[in-house]
Amino acid sequence: DGGITQSPKYLFRKEGQNVTLSCEQNLNHDAMYWYRQDPGQGLRLIYYSQIVNDFQKGDIAEGYSVSREKKESFPLTVTSAQKNPTAFYLCASRGTPLLNTEAFFGQGTRLTVV
Amino acid sequence: AQKITQTQPGMFVQEKEAVTLDCTYDTSDQSYGLFWYKQPSSGEMIFLIYQGSYDEQNATEGRYSLNFQKARKSANLVISASQLGDSAMYFCAHLTLISSGSARQLTFGSGTQLTVLP
Repeated sequence: DGGITQSPKYLFRKEGQNVTLSCEQNLNHDAMYWYRQDPGQGLRLIYYSQIVNDFQKGDIAEGYSVSREKKESFPLTVTSAQKNPTAFYLCASRGTPLLNTEAFFGQGTRLTVV
Repeated sequence: AQKITQTQPGMFVQEKEAVTLDCTYDTSDQSYGLFWYKQPSSGEMIFLIYQGSYDEQNATEGRYSLNFQKARKSANLVISASQLGDSAMYFCAHLTLISSGSARQLTFGSGTQLTVLP
């Protein structure tokens, strides 16, 4: 089955630690996105990437980093510089640059700082 | 940055009635796409409907239709014959074509929590 897999589903981090969230897709999609969602809030764009080895900052990139070494993978690292990382993180991908192509989402990772 | 505004944090509708969820966007682009997604309490994001900036007809998908008013920069979602299963968070999203070689930025609004009453 084609889709987007985010892992882990739940993640706990101690303050001051970096942590990496995984996002893998087998849809052969070019574009991938990372969003952060706080309780009862909308999705805010962290980073996005159209092609391998290229990515752009979204609206809230500070304290986060990404890489796009392979088409199917777009991991997100939450660094210790992110002061309030507790949130629900969603990864998405799109298959073509065309406007009418919807984004497909993973099931999300819920990150909690303890 | 592109801006998407959903001014209704919460909405209530009686089962079997229609409801309109508002969405306005701020862009100077001529070419863009608008999407609506549904997010149940489970957290998954479900694509509902799409409208392109050059589409002359309003988009429809089953019980969902999009009231697109380009001059007003609004793209309201209309759900007809509401069902209990429609209770969820609804997000409007805007896709822009940035300069060649860059990704297409997909920006979401803050969402509207819809509750369908029996």
